[in-house]
Amino acid sequence: QQQVKQSPQSLIVQKGGISIINCAYENTAFDYFPWYQQFPGKGPALLIAIRPDVSEKKEGRFTISFNKSAKQFSLHIMDSQPGDSATYFCAASIQTGANNLFFGTGTRLTVIP
Amino acid sequence: DAEITQSPRHKITETGRQVTLACHQTWNHNNMFWYRQDLGHGLRLIHYSYGVHDTNKGEVSDGYSVSRSNTEDLPLTLESAASSQTSVYFCASSDPGLAGTDTQYFGPGTRLTVL
Repeated sequence: QQQVKQSPQSLIVQKGGISIINCAYENTAFDYFPWYQQFPGKGPALLIAIRPDVSEKKEGRFTISFNKSAKQFSLHIMDSQPGDSATYFCAASIQTGANNLFFGTGTRLTVIP
Repeated sequence: DAEITQSPRHKITETGRQVTLACHQTWNHNNMFWYRQDLGHGLRLIHYSYGVHDTNKGEVSDGYSVSRSNTEDLPLTLESAASSQTSVYFCASSDPGLAGTDTQYFGPGTRLTVL
């Protein structure tokens, strides 16, 4: 079964708008929550990551919000740009030294000018 | 610059044939992973290795095998290719032994079509 559930499957946002992608998990042992960005024809690349000891992490226009009690986390892209159009994957892992990642199913974001 | 490469980038094969996909990393990472990416499923772990001569099964390992004879390479073999194995395959590596480096670095992918 899917260890990390991601929604929506696709998202269309106007340039300058806010893109929001949500993920939920069940395994309370997860302690590392990265987001990966993937452009067509490329491999995924780490965008931003958070650990459960903080509720929010911001890097430029990208923010992760984390709700430990609800077992949910989300990616917010502020002032979305056409260059942000990509597929975004949330993931979770247990940092025992092996860091096997469990990925969500992905969200295809399209930012229209 | 350190990198992770995959070859071939595209492969067409026939049902029943053995296929090997190559993955080579120059990061000197201990951990290496193989994923397959399918629409609606995201990235699913096939096999992984924590070091030389170590291999482990992932979520979708049936029909696949790996071997790790050195740090740099983790080839993925499809023993008898099936149409259900048509997918895009990604190799990744990481070295969580280094503080603050939980990142997995992905290769560019191999698109495999099994006819």
